[in-house]
Amino acid sequence: SAVISQKPSRDICQRGTSLTIQCQVDSQVTMMFWYRQQPGQSLTLIATANQGSEATYESGFVIDKFPISRPNLTFSTLTVSNMSPEDSSIYLCSVRTSGTKDTQYFGPGTRLTVL
Amino acid sequence: DAKTTQPTSMDCAEGRAANLPCNHSTISGNEYVYWYRQIHSQGPQYIIHGLKNNETNEMASLIITEDRKSSTLILPHATLRDTAVYYCIVRSYYGGSQGNLIFGKGTKLSVKP
Repeated sequence: SAVISQKPSRDICQRGTSLTIQCQVDSQVTMMFWYRQQPGQSLTLIATANQGSEATYESGFVIDKFPISRPNLTFSTLTVSNMSPEDSSIYLCSVRTSGTKDTQYFGPGTRLTVL
Repeated sequence: DAKTTQPTSMDCAEGRAANLPCNHSTISGNEYVYWYRQIHSQGPQYIIHGLKNNETNEMASLIITEDRKSSTLILPHATLRDTAVYYCIVRSYYGGSQGNLIFGKGTKLSVKP
């Protein structure tokens, strides 16, 4: 398994500002992902964070709004830019391990409230 | 879009087995069935996954029908701490974007004393 930590665990931000969320995993992993969970909803995949190259975004998500970095195999950041109240969600980092037990694990999430 | 259908909610008595069904009638030969659960305000927790054989681990058992069009997650002795939303997901083992986990709405399991 993989142990994933996220910072911050929660934050309250003002409209128009940006927040960067950090994700750290305790071992090198091949793939890292960012998900969003809006209040009362299921998880939605935002993007795949690619090491050394631009992230791959899902339909409806764009780099200008959700810039992602992945400088190495254990760390990634997601920035939520120019925030509005509609961005209030839980943001979750996820990693996929490789091998015969190919499994995906999730971090504890960052609860973001935008006022 | 999610490729699975699950009941919206289920109740289970504490100490009894919880049997959570999932329909995945369009599953293809290269897709696994994964189960996760999400306890309120926490990140999803991996439970178990399988391809075509039944699987068991310390948390649960996964029963997949012979035609692979449906499966059942079994929690043998449910406790109050098993109250959560349970997600059944089919996922390609080819990796890349085909291997991304796509979440549906899941089943909210309530374990009652």
